[in-house]
Amino acid sequence: EAQLVESGGGVIRPGGSLRLSCAASGFSFGDYGMNWVRQRPGKGLEWVSGINWKGDKTGYPDSVKGRFSISRDNGKNSLYLQMNSLRAEDTAVYYCVRDIVTGDAFDIWGQGTTVTVSS
Amino acid sequence: QSLLTQPPSVSAAPGQNVTISCSGSSSNIGSNFVSWYQQLPGTAPKLLIYDNDKRPSGIPDRFSGSKSVTSATLGITGLQTGDEAAYFCGTWDTSLRSGPMFGGGTKLTVL
Repeated sequence: EAQLVESGGGVIRPGGSLRLSCAASGFSFGDYGMNWVRQRPGKGLEWVSGINWKGDKTGYPDSVKGRFSISRDNGKNSLYLQMNSLRAEDTAVYYCVRDIVTGDAFDIWGQGTTVTVSS
Repeated sequence: QSLLTQPPSVSAAPGQNVTISCSGSSSNIGSNFVSWYQQLPGTAPKLLIYDNDKRPSGIPDRFSGSKSVTSATLGITGLQTGDEAAYFCGTWDTSLRSGPMFGGGTKLTVL
């Protein structure tokens, strides 16, 4: 069974940095595009980064561009999100999410890891 | 403010049918596939519908999706108490080139 398990969340002061990790199992990780999607408390879903199967193409929305960096290690079946210059509005649950084969939807979601940015 | 508009809430009794709408524009829903996600309380979202109307393996046929021009609809028949959840639509916006986007979500209450 395909599974994604996030780790690395926690409480961090504004301006600080945090690195999230996602461990994949149960599928051929290197064959799929991967993403991070966040959900602020009581709010909707927001895509925050994506990376192709090879790791040579990435994408970000304006809200995190220049501050967040997505990467992957296919040999370790792992996805990462480096988050710098964190702001209070980055407080959210961060989900590791797999692209469906066609690339038009997200078919596997992790359980999420919580990031709280607060002084 | 999401570019995809969903009603904040809908409600219906067990056994009844319900639809949830997702309204967009020609550059998002009008040009791309739509997906739907179910988020039960305290859990991660789960894919219900992809490519407008396809169900992943394991999703019952009580759930259906459709798309017409710049709007999409999620249909649920024979409502069960376990269907009480938040439902999100998702797609891309060709003009923005900013990646995937989601609707604001609809909270379904099964009375």
